[in-house]
Amino acid sequence: GENVEQHPSTLSVQEGDSAVIKCTYSDSASNYFPWYKQELGKRPQLIIDIRSNVGEKKDQRIAVTLNKTAKHFSLHITETQPEDSAVYFCAADAGGATNKLIFGTGTLLAVQP
Amino acid sequence: KAGVTQTPRYLIKTRGQQVTLSCSPISGHRSVSWYQQTPGQGLQFLFEYFSETQRNKGNFPGRFSGRQFSNSRSEMNVSTLELGDSALYLCASSPPLGTGDEKLFFGSGTQLSVL
Repeated sequence: GENVEQHPSTLSVQEGDSAVIKCTYSDSASNYFPWYKQELGKRPQLIIDIRSNVGEKKDQRIAVTLNKTAKHFSLHITETQPEDSAVYFCAADAGGATNKLIFGTGTLLAVQP
Repeated sequence: KAGVTQTPRYLIKTRGQQVTLSCSPISGHRSVSWYQQTPGQGLQFLFEYFSETQRNKGNFPGRFSGRQFSNSRSEMNVSTLELGDSALYLCASSPPLGTGDEKLFFGSGTQLSVL
């Protein structure tokens, strides 16, 4: 069935260091892979996404890589700042005529000042 | 442009009761999805509605149901509440195809506590 695994579940880094979160997905029909950031008590917000025809995408300090053959995708945050502290979720679309996303279980990132 | 609006923001119920949650999508969005979020479980897909029809359904018992109205507003209902139904229920609306990559725009959610 459809499944997205996400690791690690918690990640603590020093301010200025890099953070990497990894996900794997099971559905070969998936073509869209977004990443959401959720701060405490707030709604999930899209921070970056990538489609299967692209291997890497970057937006300032955030980058996402995709290996469709291995069904892996990763989020990279460089020069982390305390305001990056949040829960990050990866997701994969279910394919077909639906907006359904299958989410990973989340990574709690703590950036220590 | 107003975002996705969910009401109520907080809800406290007791076991056995039923509850109805409401979601107003972004203007022009005809697809509405519902997710259940619990600690450690991430976001679990409940169902998706498009043009008043359920387009997709997750693996939740029949106690969970939903509907969509002609103005695209959606409601979800949970009957015979159980303690395990305590969660944040998130609604998300989606733009028409071809209007950008972002698929889901989330509301702030309804925090349901079942006592």
